[in-house]
Amino acid sequence: AQKITQTQPGMFVQEKEAVTLDCTYDTSDPSYGLFWYKQPSSGEMIFLIYQGSYDQQNATEGRYSLNFQKARKSANLVISASQLGDSAMYFCAMEGWSGGSNYKLTFGKGTLLTVNP
Amino acid sequence: DTGVSQNPRHKITKRGQNVTFRCDPISEHNRLYWYRQTLGQGPEFLTYFQNEAQLEKSRLLSDRFSAERPKGSFSTLEIQRTEQGDSAMYLCASSLRPGPNEQFFGPGTRLTVL
Repeated sequence: AQKITQTQPGMFVQEKEAVTLDCTYDTSDPSYGLFWYKQPSSGEMIFLIYQGSYDQQNATEGRYSLNFQKARKSANLVISASQLGDSAMYFCAMEGWSGGSNYKLTFGKGTLLTVNP
Repeated sequence: DTGVSQNPRHKITKRGQNVTFRCDPISEHNRLYWYRQTLGQGPEFLTYFQNEAQLEKSRLLSDRFSAERPKGSFSTLEIQRTEQGDSAMYLCASSLRPGPNEQFFGPGTRLTVL
């Protein structure tokens, strides 16, 4: 079984500043993937970034980077140069690969990010 | 538009009625997932298909819920004898193997049971 913990219900950041959203996970699977999704008020889940458990380097996608610390079981999302359009709910999720059909995503409760002008 | 589509976007029904939702995945994606999201929570897995085969069902999927994916294309999720606790956003996602299981989500169907 997998568990995702996001301890920040809400975060505020000034426009153009960087912000870190925390995510810790727990799994017994030897291999797994970690994901971040953005959910604006419209409701659609938008994929942001992916990190595989065996990837040697932290993933980056444009202004998004994933600070992956395997020993600490953390996968924090860093958003650089925040924009007003970044205001949304952010979910951390994981997928465990234990040799079975475990391809479902397990999500955390999310962090509501508000970017102030 | 080549993304995941879901219909209807909103459904209001009375307790005890049956409802059916449809999901059309991205055409080349062979995996299709259903999730349920209640207010203030992250999505919770319900079930998933690889092609037409339903490979896993969550314990959240009671006997009143049934999902199909005939011919491995679109999928339907039916809820029989709806209860107020079924009120939620129902999300559909699809993905393509091999590779990281990046799932592409549809806009969701918001169900309100009165």
